[in-house]
Amino acid sequence: EVQLVESGGDLVQPGRSLRLSCAASGFTFDDYAMHWVRQAPGKGLEWVSGISWNSGIIGYADSVKGRFTISRDNAKNSLYLQMNSLRAEDTALYYCAKATAYSSSPADYWGQGTQVTVSS
Amino acid sequence: DIQMTQSPSSLSASVGDRVTITCRASQGISTYLAWYQQKPGKVPKLLISAASTLQSGVPSRFRGSGSGTDFTLTISSLQPEDVATYYCQKYDSDPRAFGQGTKVEIK
Repeated sequence: EVQLVESGGDLVQPGRSLRLSCAASGFTFDDYAMHWVRQAPGKGLEWVSGISWNSGIIGYADSVKGRFTISRDNAKNSLYLQMNSLRAEDTALYYCAKATAYSSSPADYWGQGTQVTVSS
Repeated sequence: DIQMTQSPSSLSASVGDRVTITCRASQGISTYLAWYQQKPGKVPKLLISAASTLQSGVPSRFRGSGSGTDFTLTISSLQPEDVATYYCQKYDSDPRAFGQGTKVEIK
């Protein structure tokens, strides 16, 4: 059974940093691209960042480019999102999602999310 | 960047009705288009990939069509369990934008 468990969400002040983690199990992690998607309270889905199976292709939404860094450790079956210079508009539930293939593909499994709240 | 625009933003229909949601890309994306269903309080679920490929276990009343810039999600006979918000997403290249969502309710 595919499982994705996010952690690291917290209440932080604007300008501070946070690192999210996603522990994956139930599939061959290094065969698949992975994504972070967020959802602000009462709002729609926003793709944040994605990384291919071997970290060779990485992309970011314009809203986080230069502030967030995605990475993965295939040996640890883990995905990460380093979030710097956090802003109030980054407040959201952050989902880790598994792609259906190693690169350009949609997400077929999602974690339950970890809450990030940016407020003074 | 390519923008994804869904319409309508919400709709209310009766059980058994045919429901159609459209998604338009600001530039052509071939068939790199997915549809997701998000029920209240739940995580998104992938319904359709490659514009028209139904995922395993998804009821056959859901159908996706289109290519290039114009796409459609059709529910042939709306059921109470279909109450949800539906999102399209492009995945041809980054950034992988979502549409703003269409909330489907029962009349």
